[in-house]
Amino acid sequence: QKEVEQDPGPLSVPEGAIVSLNCTYSNSAFQYFMWYRQYSRKGPELLMYTYSSGNKEDGRFTAQVDKSSKYISLFIRDSQPSDSATYLCAMRDRGSTLGRLYFGRGTQLTVWP
Amino acid sequence: DTGVSQDPRHKITKRGQNVTFRCDPISEHNRLYWYRQTLGQGPEFLTYFQNEAQLEKSRLLSDRFSAERPKGSFSTLEIQRTEQGDSAMYLCASSLGPAQETQYFGPGTRLLVL
Repeated sequence: QKEVEQDPGPLSVPEGAIVSLNCTYSNSAFQYFMWYRQYSRKGPELLMYTYSSGNKEDGRFTAQVDKSSKYISLFIRDSQPSDSATYLCAMRDRGSTLGRLYFGRGTQLTVWP
Repeated sequence: DTGVSQDPRHKITKRGQNVTFRCDPISEHNRLYWYRQTLGQGPEFLTYFQNEAQLEKSRLLSDRFSAERPKGSFSTLEIQRTEQGDSAMYLCASSLGPAQETQYFGPGTRLLVL
């Protein structure tokens, strides 16, 4: 079993829809949680960074962390065709000062006009 | 500064050949990471530098792989005697350090071993 599980999709939604992406993890030491967006043949781009449990909102994006369930989510409101990309969750444990990230396999999202 | 840069962006090589990739991190970032990403998978950690010191190596990094960061600035990743299984995207990331752990990724080097 991988430490971070993420449904690869693909997920296809119409423009304007609310998108929900999520990951589960097994390592209870994970404390820092990130969402990256990766366009085809490009490097990952950081979208959201959260620490421990709770919600964080940035524009159309909301990240949620539920450490008791070992479950994290990313919500995209008013989705746009430009949001079409692969979304990667990533996390790091609190004990590591080295910053090594553990990634999910990514969810491929297509937003059609 | 425009971010992390990697060179080359694409590399096609024959099995058994050696290849070397370069990564230039964001200036003043003292931490540098290498990851490997295969098709349909998330990036997997390979190795990490703090300044010029290589502090951690994944078990994915076989003896054929070597990484250096000689002056604590740019880094190179060399793969000797390439195998078809080495075909992947090799990603470099950098971060400022303990004050800011956010990792910023470069565009990657896509390697194809024939």
